[in-house]
Amino acid sequence: DIQMTQSPSSLSASVGDRVTITCRASQGIGNDLGWYQQRPGRAPRRLIYAASALQSGVPSRFSGSGSGTEFTLSISSLQPEDFATYYCLQHTSYPYTFGQGTKLEI
Amino acid sequence: QLQLQESGPGLVKPSETLSLTCSVSGGSISSSSFYWAWIRQPPGKGLEWIGSIYYSGSTYYNPSLESRISISARTSKNQFSLRLSSVTAADTAVYYCARDAILDSFDSWGQGTLVTVSS
Repeated sequence: DIQMTQSPSSLSASVGDRVTITCRASQGIGNDLGWYQQRPGRAPRRLIYAASALQSGVPSRFSGSGSGTEFTLSISSLQPEDFATYYCLQHTSYPYTFGQGTKLEI
Repeated sequence: QLQLQESGPGLVKPSETLSLTCSVSGGSISSSSFYWAWIRQPPGKGLEWIGSIYYSGSTYYNPSLESRISISARTSKNQFSLRLSSVTAADTAVYYCARDAILDSFDSWGQGTLVTVSS
């Protein structure tokens, strides 16, 4: 199985800050990576697909980059609604695997 | 607008079989462009892919659960289902169904349903 390691596991920030979350794959996955946001009590919502493509309807302050084994999700200017938990997902081979999550807190 | 809705018992006894159905509207599970997936999340924990099915019936399962799971599709009703046998408390989780856009992962999700395993 491909292991996905996210860092940090939690992050404290303020409205207006820029933050970056990293996801490392245990082997190369090309750009077969998505980023998901999950607010408490809600289903995950896809933000980024193919490592860097912005999902329709997602604000442009979200961006993704990377390929191979190292990927990042950046949020350029945090808004109150961005405080949530973020997950990466590799879908290059079964079993698909998620990172353990990054909880973004005020 | 694609919508997915999970349904099934919220409480299952240990050693019994968990059965859930995902009803899809606004799109067809017979589309050749998508797989259809089950994902779960234990309370306070992360996400785990359970398995995916193609409209033709081809399935892919998580090896950690493969001996206990079965995913099937009923194209006439635009539904797909999950069965997980011999459940224990460790199977208590919110279960989500999702559309697996081939090459692009899970682009649409149901709202999720909590299944508790308890006597």
